[in-house]
Amino acid sequence: AQKVTQAQTEISVVEKEDVTLDCVYETRDTTYYLFWYKQPPSGELVFLIRRNSFDEQNEISGRYSWNFQKSTSSFNFTITASQVVDSAVYFCALSGVYGQNFVFGPGTRLSVLP
Amino acid sequence: EPEVTQTPSHQVTQMGQEVILRCVPISNHLYFYWYRQILGQKVEFLVSFYNNEISEKSEIFDDQFSVERPDGSNFTLKIRSTKLEDSAMYFCASSPGTGFIYFGEGSWLTVV
Repeated sequence: AQKVTQAQTEISVVEKEDVTLDCVYETRDTTYYLFWYKQPPSGELVFLIRRNSFDEQNEISGRYSWNFQKSTSSFNFTITASQVVDSAVYFCALSGVYGQNFVFGPGTRLSVLP
Repeated sequence: EPEVTQTPSHQVTQMGQEVILRCVPISNHLYFYWYRQILGQKVEFLVSFYNNEISEKSEIFDDQFSVERPDGSNFTLKIRSTKLEDSAMYFCASSPGTGFIYFGEGSWLTVV
């Protein structure tokens, strides 16, 4: 069975600090996809990134970066120079190659204080 | 950009009433899903639907839930007799089958 663990339930940082959100996953699939979503207080799920399992290159998008390490089954997310607008719940997710068995982690609530 | 649309965005219903949540998946997508998120908790899988039938369902998806694709565009979730614990955000999603899932903005259901 697929499983995603986000050990950090809540994190608080002060604006401009860097913060890393951890994600560890379990799957028996050899090919799969990993995702990060942001859920602001308004409730919608905002897609941030999709990463396939055979591409271990780290990715950077503005202040966001992702570190995928297949050897440790981790897909961590770093926000550089955090801002108050980054305050949200962040979900890591995992799916099979065709989108099957799409499962979310429990989420990490990030509070960025001014 | 195509998107999954859900209606209503928010519904308040009395316990015991039937509720239908509607979704219009992205055109040409083949797989459809419903997920549920109780306030403050994780997003949980309810059911997946492919080729006009349920392909997978979770233990949450009991006999009081049903899904239907009544025409070529809508995908509905029906809760037959709502309970207080059904209060949650319900997300519809669709996928072309390439590993990418597109979520709607959700429907808040409040059961009083």
